[in-house]
Amino acid sequence: SQTIHQWPATLVQPVGSPLSLECTVEGTSNPNLYWYRQAAGRGLQLLFYSVGIGQISSEVPQNLSASRPQDRQFILSSKKLLLSDSGFYLCAWSKGRETQYFGPGTRLLVL
Amino acid sequence: AQSVTQLDSQVSVFEEAPVELRCNYSSSVSVYLFWYVQYPNQGLQLLLKYLSGSTLVKGINGFEAEFNKSQTSFHLRKPSVHISDTAEYFCAVRRSSNTGKLIFGQGTTLQVKP
Repeated sequence: SQTIHQWPATLVQPVGSPLSLECTVEGTSNPNLYWYRQAAGRGLQLLFYSVGIGQISSEVPQNLSASRPQDRQFILSSKKLLLSDSGFYLCAWSKGRETQYFGPGTRLLVL
Repeated sequence: AQSVTQLDSQVSVFEEAPVELRCNYSSSVSVYLFWYVQYPNQGLQLLLKYLSGSTLVKGINGFEAEFNKSQTSFHLRKPSVHISDTAEYFCAVRRSSNTGKLIFGQGTTLQVKP
């Protein structure tokens, strides 16, 4: 069966510091991968998606970037965090256009 | 473009009562519809989905939803809720032809009281 991992689970970072969140999927190959952000009291916003290694599509202009160095690895990064980057970050995978399955999430607090 | 509106931000019911969480969507093309549940500090878990076929969809934990194309709705129902159903519920839509990008509603917080 397939599993999706995210780490760290929780992160507290000062404003202006760099960020790296990692997402890894097991049990499948060539998945579509997604990064969502959930701000407090709000729904989920798609940030990035990837259909293959090195292929990244950005949905909204922002302070973040994504990379896919390996087939089942998806990384969310920032060079300098802003207060507004605080939130709950969720990674998801799907097989082609099928149902998306979500990871446990990373809670980021920028102080 | 697609959009999703969850008509209630919060719903509070007593245990063993029925509940309906409302979801309307807007789209000019055919779509797939989903309901996800999020327990505190956890990721999203798929409850059910409508891709095609029967408009009444049954999911996990006793939930069901009905796709109504004429009213562009996909309301979630459960005939008898438990305390453990207390969570955030998200309705989502995606175009049947795209790479899988989901558009989420703002969520409905369901509180089940003893």
